[in-house]
Amino acid sequence: KAGVTQTPRYLIKTRGQQVTLSCSPISGHRSVSWYQQTPGQGLQFLFEYFSETQRNKGNFPGRFSGRQFSNSRSEMNVSTLELGDSALYLCASSLDGEGTEAFFGQGTRLTVV
Amino acid sequence: AQSVTQPDIHITVSEGASLELRCNYSYGATPYLFWYVQSPGQGLQLLLKYFSGDTLVQGIKGFEAEFKRSQSSFNLRKPSVHWSDAAEYFCAVGHKGDYKLSFGAGTTVTVRA
Repeated sequence: KAGVTQTPRYLIKTRGQQVTLSCSPISGHRSVSWYQQTPGQGLQFLFEYFSETQRNKGNFPGRFSGRQFSNSRSEMNVSTLELGDSALYLCASSLDGEGTEAFFGQGTRLTVV
Repeated sequence: AQSVTQPDIHITVSEGASLELRCNYSYGATPYLFWYVQSPGQGLQLLLKYFSGDTLVQGIKGFEAEFKRSQSSFNLRKPSVHWSDAAEYFCAVGHKGDYKLSFGAGTTVTVRA
């Protein structure tokens, strides 16, 4: 079956702009979580959604937000982009998010200039 | 708060030699444990997982890992590495009700001919 699909794969944005990233989970998976990966901070948890409800949120400013739709697809939005937001954003899906294995997408590489 | 430590930032190993990557965690309860591998510019691929039961778990690509509760460790091993095993490896920890994974900083494996 199809894996986790993230779009777009690459983005270049200017400081101050906003960006929306999309994630389509594996069919049947209802939990979607987002992670930011940078060379300096490694992999950091952003938030997790299950059945359109955010169940956990990492330590990121309010400029980072997300949502999940009824078909389990998820989007994350970053407003007022800063240079430090340049990162690989990874989406993971799992059946229920309760410690079951998470499957990751290829990621979206965001570059803020 | 939980933490995951991968003591080795970089390991170089000869093709055909054995490989062991270390992972230690700090957590109040028995966690769910995972090892992921990441090739440059790609997402994370799940190698293996431990939830409960047999403390020696087998994964894909010939990898195995052993959970040692007394040492709070979950080390990854492979008896004979192939050049294609060159990548970055991440240990991750989850817990029921957390709805997230905490990752170690990663270990980069270089395979020399």
